[in-house]
Amino acid sequence: ETGVTQTPRHLVMGMTNKKSLKCEQHLGHNAMYWYKQSAKKPLELMFVYSLEERVENNSVPSRFSPECPNSSHLFLHLHTLQPEDSALYLCASSQDRGVGETQYFGPGTRLLVL
Amino acid sequence: QKEVEQDPGPLSVPEGAIVSLNCTYSNSAFQYFMWYRQYSRKGPELLMYTYSSGNKEDGRFTAQVDKSSKYISLFIRDSQPSDSATYLCAMSGSGGYNKLIFGAGTRLAVHP
Repeated sequence: ETGVTQTPRHLVMGMTNKKSLKCEQHLGHNAMYWYKQSAKKPLELMFVYSLEERVENNSVPSRFSPECPNSSHLFLHLHTLQPEDSALYLCASSQDRGVGETQYFGPGTRLLVL
Repeated sequence: QKEVEQDPGPLSVPEGAIVSLNCTYSNSAFQYFMWYRQYSRKGPELLMYTYSSGNKEDGRFTAQVDKSSKYISLFIRDSQPSDSATYLCAMSGSGGYNKLIFGAGTRLAVHP
């Protein structure tokens, strides 16, 4: 098992619901990431945090709201999602935010929006 | 044009075969090249990491980078059924932070 955990592993929600995804890393890393993985598409970077500061918001709709209370925890708050938001949401961490740092991934949360 | 192109497969081979997986890219600024393996219902795990051009070998796996052709490869020797997974290439280069650009992934099935 990797040092990055995600909960829940599966989530079904209606378009009017509000839910949150949680990620925790036990590696002592300073940078954390949210990715979206849709079928037959490359992983899409959504957000990057370094030392709890957001350094990238990759043109993500406002219905996705990230939160990084400390360097070990990362949340993704979801509200009024659309069916096309159904995907695997992956969290990753790296030692630092520098180019070339290895990213370690969690197992993902499989999200279905009805 | 996508920054990274990867044939999605699926690729089906018999056990013991040599497997060749490839990606092409367009951004000459890429310097760091990775291969991740993703089993069904799991997150990607780093398999190989290469900086700049050249070859790197780790057991049955060999990664090659040809920056002049903007082409990277992963070779798997003596493939095993446990190698059945989706293989993702990823790369990064410039910018103020660690932005990985991924290929779409190639699904590999190794049958006994």
